Amino acid sequence: GAVVSQHPSRVICKSGTSVKIECRSLDFQATTMFWYRQFPKKSLMLMATSNEGSKATYEQGVEKDKFLINHASLTLSTLTVTSAHPEDSSFYICSATAMTGDDRTEQYFGPGTRLTVT
Amino acid sequence: AQSVTQLDSQVPVFEEAPVELRCNYSSSVSVYLFWYVQYPNQGLQLLLKYLSGSTLVESINGFEAEFNKSQTSFHLRKPSVHISDTAEYFCAVSGAGTYKYIFGTGTRLKVLA
Repeated sequence: GAVVSQHPSRVICKSGTSVKIECRSLDFQATTMFWYRQFPKKSLMLMATSNEGSKATYEQGVEKDKFLINHASLTLSTLTVTSAHPEDSSFYICSATAMTGDDRTEQYFGPGTRLTVT
Repeated sequence: AQSVTQLDSQVPVFEEAPVELRCNYSSSVSVYLFWYVQYPNQGLQLLLKYLSGSTLVESINGFEAEFNKSQTSFHLRKPSVHISDTAEYFCAVSGAGTYKYIFGTGTRLKVLA
């Protein structure tokens, strides 16, 4: 149980275009989803926290107008990178927490999306 | 606020040798602690976690970690490593009752034949 999927796994886009990444909890309802960015050989940097039906909370230094997050349902959150530039190229990972009990303490991670902006 | 320190960025070790990956944290509140493993171009997989109770936690593939409150540590150990254990290992902490994780910078374990 507790599987999180991401789509696409890899995407290449041209500079100036927008790209959407989906994060889905497949077998549980996620109260909260998180979006991380991972630079090569670096740790995960939390970008934002999203709760279903409300606006995402962005970490300091993360541009909310550039990284649009929508958490439309208890099983789906999307991250849209708007007007992408080469410096946005990165590995984006989402995670989700379940609704009840001890599962709330644990984040379940998706497999990640490799974004390359040319 | 919490913070996590993984002092070793890389740990090379020969196959079947023991290994310890170090993790220290700081927090003003009770914490939950986690170890995650990441294989190349993949997401994170939970290895083990400490929430409460026994301070020694084990994973199904032979890893164990011990929560030491006085030393604010949660070191990861394995008595005998395999080539397949080669990966990046991340320690993470969250304040009890919160959902936010703070990750360490990761330790690259390289198992040599």
